[in-house]
Amino acid sequence: GNSVTQMEGPVTLSEEAFLTINCTYTATGYPSLFWYVQYPGEGLQLLLKATKADDKGSNKGFEATYRKETTSFHLEKGSVQVSDSAVYFCAGDNDMRFGAGTRLTVKP
Amino acid sequence: EPEVTQTPSHQVTQMGQEVILRCVPISNHLYFYWYRQILGQKVEFLVSFYNNEISEKSEIFDDQFSVERPDGSNFTLKIRSTKLEDSAMYFCASSEMNEQFFGPGTRLTVL
Repeated sequence: GNSVTQMEGPVTLSEEAFLTINCTYTATGYPSLFWYVQYPGEGLQLLLKATKADDKGSNKGFEATYRKETTSFHLEKGSVQVSDSAVYFCAGDNDMRFGAGTRLTVKP
Repeated sequence: EPEVTQTPSHQVTQMGQEVILRCVPISNHLYFYWYRQILGQKVEFLVSFYNNEISEKSEIFDDQFSVERPDGSNFTLKIRSTKLEDSAMYFCASSEMNEQFFGPGTRLTVL
């Protein structure tokens, strides 16, 4: 079945630093890929998605590109803010397995 | 904008009791899911449901658990004889195609 593996962290950055959270997947076929964000005390929110190879999902300054050749969907942001502090989950469809989550803390 | 709702937001129960967690999926969605997240840990898939039957379940979803769509709107998760380790956030989700929309979760505390 499909699975995703993501960098577990935790990750601590200073405001305006560059963020990368790695995610790789194993799949039969071509799943859609997602990044979800969970802010403290809240549920899961879709951050961005990509449904086929070479698609780039983007939202709120975050980006991730679906790369078939490296089976990756790394999350990036050029300049993080304190308000980005949350747990980020990579996921794939066809049973939507979630990665372990990466806790990001951004300090002023 | 339509959203998935869950009730109650917090459920406290005694060990050995049965609980029913309720979800109202988005109305035109056909696929329904339950997940759980033990505090500070990963999100774990429990079960998916389509066309009034379970389409897939994880190893966590044993005989203690059951799901039901008792009417056209609700989707419930029943946990029989709760254990301390069932304490977690339980998230319902629904989808029309491949993007799942999550409810806010029910925090279950088993004492």
